[in-house]
Amino acid sequence: NAGVTQTPKFQVLKTGQSMTLQCAQDMNHEYMSWYRQDPGMGLRLIHYSVGAGITDQGEVPNGYNVSRSTTEDFPLRLLSAAPSQTSVYFCASSYSSGPDSNQPQHFGDGTRLSIL
Amino acid sequence: GEDVEQSLFLSVREGDSSVINCTYTDSSSTYLYWYKQEPGAGLQLLTYIFSNMDMKQDQRLTVLLNKKDKHLSLRIADTQTGDSAIYFCADSEPPPLDTGRRALTFGSGTRLQVQP
Repeated sequence: NAGVTQTPKFQVLKTGQSMTLQCAQDMNHEYMSWYRQDPGMGLRLIHYSVGAGITDQGEVPNGYNVSRSTTEDFPLRLLSAAPSQTSVYFCASSYSSGPDSNQPQHFGDGTRLSIL
Repeated sequence: GEDVEQSLFLSVREGDSSVINCTYTDSSSTYLYWYKQEPGAGLQLLTYIFSNMDMKQDQRLTVLLNKKDKHLSLRIADTQTGDSAIYFCADSEPPPLDTGRRALTFGSGTRLQVQP
């Protein structure tokens, strides 16, 4: 049982390049999300998905696109990378049930992205 | 908006108890979580508490919740060098009925240094 798998672990891009960060989970979780972690700050929500075919914006969505064609995969796309997007990106997943149920989010190991 | 605050750094000696504190502003939080992040790794769920509880104990970990003061603490008994990491407090807002969003609001993390 792999849990949440993120690839690549490290990436260096030049300004203006595009790339896709991959995230896959094998726990049949409906809910998936992307966060970014910057020094001295907690994690901030970029985009999330409550199920296949459904995505929505989080706190800091600008410059990022997502899609959810399957339950397992939730890729994050940077269309034109900017130095401000240098960060560590975490994908998380959980079951998606009622608001009073505890459905802790499981995190991947992160992708460390540098934009030059 | 919501805010979660933590002190940035805590240093203890091996064998002592560590207490990491967190304050939050959202009175509608349902679950509050403690995550641990070791260098170069993702976030590992340590423990959680439901908002109608005052205390939860899980082996060496004790979580105390003062809902009136919106104060959460994590006590680690008999702290070991392997406990050295960054500890994040996070609260979970009830998902809005129209979006299903299950965002976590994170503090900026407390770096725990355990000295032998």
